[in-house]
Amino acid sequence: NAGVMQNPRHLVRRRGQEARLRCSPVKGHSHVYWYRQLPEEGLKFMVYLQKENIIDESGMPKERFSAEFPKEGPSILRIQQVVRGDSAAYFCASSPPARQGGTDTQYFGPGTRLTVL
Amino acid sequence: QKEVEQDPGPLSVPEGAIVSLNCTYSNSAFQYFMWYRQYSRKGPELLMYTYSSGNKEDGRFTAQVDKSSKYISLFIRDSQPSDSATYLCAMSWNTGNQFYFGTGTSLTVIP
Repeated sequence: NAGVMQNPRHLVRRRGQEARLRCSPVKGHSHVYWYRQLPEEGLKFMVYLQKENIIDESGMPKERFSAEFPKEGPSILRIQQVVRGDSAAYFCASSPPARQGGTDTQYFGPGTRLTVL
Repeated sequence: QKEVEQDPGPLSVPEGAIVSLNCTYSNSAFQYFMWYRQYSRKGPELLMYTYSSGNKEDGRFTAQVDKSSKYISLFIRDSQPSDSATYLCAMSWNTGNQFYFGTGTSLTVIP
């Protein structure tokens, strides 16, 4: 029973290039969340997706960042024209469909560490 | 004011000690409270999950939530060197919402 998978684990890009981060949720989980973690800081919410829908993108920068969770395949976080400030660990989490009146907690992947040179 | 405040530490204790980790929050709408453990360069691992106020115990770990004070705690009994990690509190208010995280407390248990 595999947990959340993320790849690549480490990604190095030069300024101006594109970064594509992939996340495969736990089997049966239909909710995916992306978080960013900067050194000495906590996890910051970026976006919440269900299959083919963006539910909440209030934490996403307005430019250069986009996310998708297609009907088939992993969720993708895309960063265009990367800058040094994008260097961080990006974590994906998944949760099952929420029970009525409650919530299910989020299970995290190992993260992708992006370094922008 | 941050949604969630957590003392970053670092906290260093001898093996066998009782550890107390705490977070405060400002949003009274939070109802779901979690503690995660994160080892260096790894993803957060869920430790405890509590709904509303009260206590929850799981082995050496006890989570407490005091909604009237907007204060949550994690206690670790008989701490072990393998407990050395960063502990993150997280909370949310409703189904499917984002989690709000504290900055994490770095704990070292000395053999």
